[in-house]
Amino acid sequence: DAGVIQSPRHEVTEMGQEVTLRCKPISGHDYLFWYRQTMMRGLELLIYFNNNVPIDDSGMPEDRFSAKMPNASFSTLKIQPSEPRDSAVYFCASSGGTRNEAFFGQGTRLTVV
Amino acid sequence: AQSVSQHNHHVILSEAASLELGCNYSYGGTVNLFWYVQYPGQHLQLLLKYFSGDPLVKGIKGFEAEFIKSKFSFNLRKPSVQWSDTAEYFCAAGSYSSASKIIFGSGTRLSIRP
Repeated sequence: DAGVIQSPRHEVTEMGQEVTLRCKPISGHDYLFWYRQTMMRGLELLIYFNNNVPIDDSGMPEDRFSAKMPNASFSTLKIQPSEPRDSAVYFCASSGGTRNEAFFGQGTRLTVV
Repeated sequence: AQSVSQHNHHVILSEAASLELGCNYSYGGTVNLFWYVQYPGQHLQLLLKYFSGDPLVKGIKGFEAEFIKSKFSFNLRKPSVQWSDTAEYFCAAGSYSSASKIIFGSGTRLSIRP
């Protein structure tokens, strides 16, 4: 398996634009997590899914953020409209079975100017 | 409430010094415990994990961690650090009995002076 795949790796966008981050979890994993990492706040859990269903989105900072998982092999995190304070590295991770070991993607570095 | 606490935000050591990073957790039931490492500019990678059995767990690159149930702790250790160990280290906990979300600590930045 190629691991958790995120795209794009880098995204630079202007304030007010819509941004969509993509994630392909490891095949067979039934949990998917979206994290945001910044120098100020560290690693924050934004939302996680179980069997494609959002379980806890309490970490989503504002209504400008939304996440979907239309099927077991794909998830998106959308920011609309984007703001400079959204600049961060966004990680997707997946886990499966009873062992809970999370595997992380390479991350998407988002810069909003 | 479930939580993972890492006591040290930033640790600075010289090469060959011994390392111990603290981690305490609050998690109902039996837990799985993890240490992840994030090298500069990279993603989080699993360093070691504890599920059951021997409470002293050995991981990659000479790291080890000891699960002490009575203290709800899972401290990370290495007898002699190298400059290449410069990274951020995250402790995490998850339920043993069922797949669920994994709780991460806030991380400890380790800087090694050459």
